Amino acid sequence: DSGVTQTPKHLITATGQRVTLRCSPRSGDLSVYWYQQSLDQGLQFLIQYYNGEERAKGNILERFSAQQFPDLHSELNLSSLELGDSALYFCASGTTLAGGPDTQYFGPGTRLTVL
Amino acid sequence: AQTVTQSQPEMSVQEAETVTLSCTYDTSENNYYLFWYKQPPSRQMILVIRQEAYKQQNATENRFSVNFQKAAKSFSLKISDSQLGDTAMYFCAFNAGGTSYGKLTFGQGTILTVHP
Repeated sequence: DSGVTQTPKHLITATGQRVTLRCSPRSGDLSVYWYQQSLDQGLQFLIQYYNGEERAKGNILERFSAQQFPDLHSELNLSSLELGDSALYFCASGTTLAGGPDTQYFGPGTRLTVL
Repeated sequence: AQTVTQSQPEMSVQEAETVTLSCTYDTSENNYYLFWYKQPPSRQMILVIRQEAYKQQNATENRFSVNFQKAAKSFSLKISDSQLGDTAMYFCAFNAGGTSYGKLTFGQGTILTVHP
């Protein structure tokens, strides 16, 4: 058990809908990272939050957004869903001291299926 | 930009034997970490081992060890006394601070099958 929690485990929805994925980092970790794992794209970095502030953006679509709350949990919002958004979405947390490299621990993931 | 390459899409090994998974990377950063993550059929991403670039000594975690060749930008994972539970996809990953803000860059993965 990594100490990172994600809910829900599975999500099945229809095209055009909106969903919210939730993540709670390990105790003491200030950074939350979101990654998408699809069959044809591998693991792709989406976005990072550090202590409530957006810190870096990767290959995140404009239909997707995220935030980190004062209690450090994070939510990833996916809207106007398309079939191609079906994937495994991971949250990871890390300490990110002084802008250096970070060791990231992953949650169990949320499997999103868009029908 | 950083890149990570795993040139072995699939590997297999007999139980109790040793196997080595290869990884190469490219970066202009000096301060970085390298990792091996394991993804079993459950799809959980499990941290196996970490190597800090400034350390010359190769990292070891029980049956798992790495061969870190900084000049060659090579980072291989050796699994000794392979067990059936080692069957998984293994990802090599790179992480630097600075402008990459700590995001992980992953290789394509190597599927390892341990046979009884």
